[in-house]
Amino acid sequence: GDSVTQTEGPVTVSESESLIINCTYSATSIAYPNLFWYVRYPGEGLQLLLKVITAGQKGSSRGFEATYNKETTSFHLQKASVQESDSAVYYCALAENSGTYQRFGTGTKLQVVP
Amino acid sequence: AQTIHQWPVAEIKAVGSPLSLGCTIKGKSSPNLYWYWQATGGTLQQLFYSITVGQVESVVQLNLSASRPKDDQFILSTEKLLLSHSGFYLCAWSRTGENSDYTFGSGTRLLVI
Repeated sequence: GDSVTQTEGPVTVSESESLIINCTYSATSIAYPNLFWYVRYPGEGLQLLLKVITAGQKGSSRGFEATYNKETTSFHLQKASVQESDSAVYYCALAENSGTYQRFGTGTKLQVVP
Repeated sequence: AQTIHQWPVAEIKAVGSPLSLGCTIKGKSSPNLYWYWQATGGTLQQLFYSITVGQVESVVQLNLSASRPKDDQFILSTEKLLLSHSGFYLCAWSRTGENSDYTFGSGTRLLVI
């Protein structure tokens, strides 16, 4: 079946350091999956951070970037310089084009320390 | 602007008791609707989706049922709760058509004792 595997948390990073949260996927029932990163900040609901629907393309939002790599089946989330306000739980997800099915990774808790 | 409201915010229920969780979407007609569940320490699992009133598809069997009595309402229920039903329930909506992302509600935290 389809699956999403991401970096196991918690991940602790010092402010201003770079970050990478790995995400790899297996899409056995979806030929051309859409890929997403969602984020849940403390005390808030789950919200979309970025999405990419075409292999080879890069998505970006709030300083975060992720590139849809079909060859390595990866969609790693990166940021050059993290801030304390980036502390949150990050979820990688894949979906079929029709949008009626979306599978999530287990989530990665990120803690940014001063 | 579209809003999504889930109720209740939290529940503590006894094993064997019934459950009903609600979700309402305002400001969007004919959305796709979804129920997700996350056990403590687990991953988000899609339980149900609905693309139209009265039509609900099951994705994962957890002895739960869902209904869509109105275009803007999605209900998750069971007649007899199990301990394993504890967790966090999220409702979400998306636009119909391709490549849509999901917008989630704030969730309901359920503890079955």
